[in-house]
Amino acid sequence: QKEVEQDPGPLSVPEGAIVSLNCTYSNSAFQYFMWYRQYSRKGPELLMYTYSSGNKEDGRFTAQVDKSSKYISLFIRDSQPSDSATYLCAMSVSNAGGTSYGKLTFGQGTILTVHP
Amino acid sequence: DTAVSQTPKYLVTQMGNDKSIKCEQNLGHDTMYWYKQDSKKFLKIMFSYNNKELIINETVPNRFSPKSPDKAHLNLHINSLELGDSAVYFCASTDRGNSPLHFGNGTRLTVT
Repeated sequence: QKEVEQDPGPLSVPEGAIVSLNCTYSNSAFQYFMWYRQYSRKGPELLMYTYSSGNKEDGRFTAQVDKSSKYISLFIRDSQPSDSATYLCAMSVSNAGGTSYGKLTFGQGTILTVHP
Repeated sequence: DTAVSQTPKYLVTQMGNDKSIKCEQNLGHDTMYWYKQDSKKFLKIMFSYNNKELIINETVPNRFSPKSPDKAHLNLHINSLELGDSAVYFCASTDRGNSPLHFGNGTRLTVT
């Protein structure tokens, strides 16, 4: 069993829909949670970065962490065709300055297509 | 200006050859990484260097040898390439504060 599980999709939604992306994890030592977006032939770019349980909002994006259930989510409101990409969840035991030195464990990524 | 840049972008080579990938970051970060992304998009850490010192070395064949001449550069040399080495290799960097990783755009390696 992988430490981080993410449904690879693909997920196809119409423009304007609310998108929900999820990951579960098994390692209770994970403390830092990230969502990256990766366009085709590009490197992952950071979307959201959270430490604690609860919600964090940034524009159309909301990241949710439930440490008790070992479950994280990313919600995209009013989805746009430009949101079409692969979304990767990632987590680490400590921050970049900690003992893990930025060692991230990634989910497999969910391929999202938003069609006009 | 590209923050983390890798060369080459594409690399096609035959089994048994030796090849190198170069990475440079202009963010002033002191920690750099190599990650490998397989055909199923699964990203996994290979190495991490902090200020030219190797600090993470995952279970990677010793045909892979990273080298960091200074904290802005991290190169990856691969000896005796195998078909299974075909993947996209990403360089990344961070500082030792709370900033998450910044990735380059990857080197797509195809071994035939």
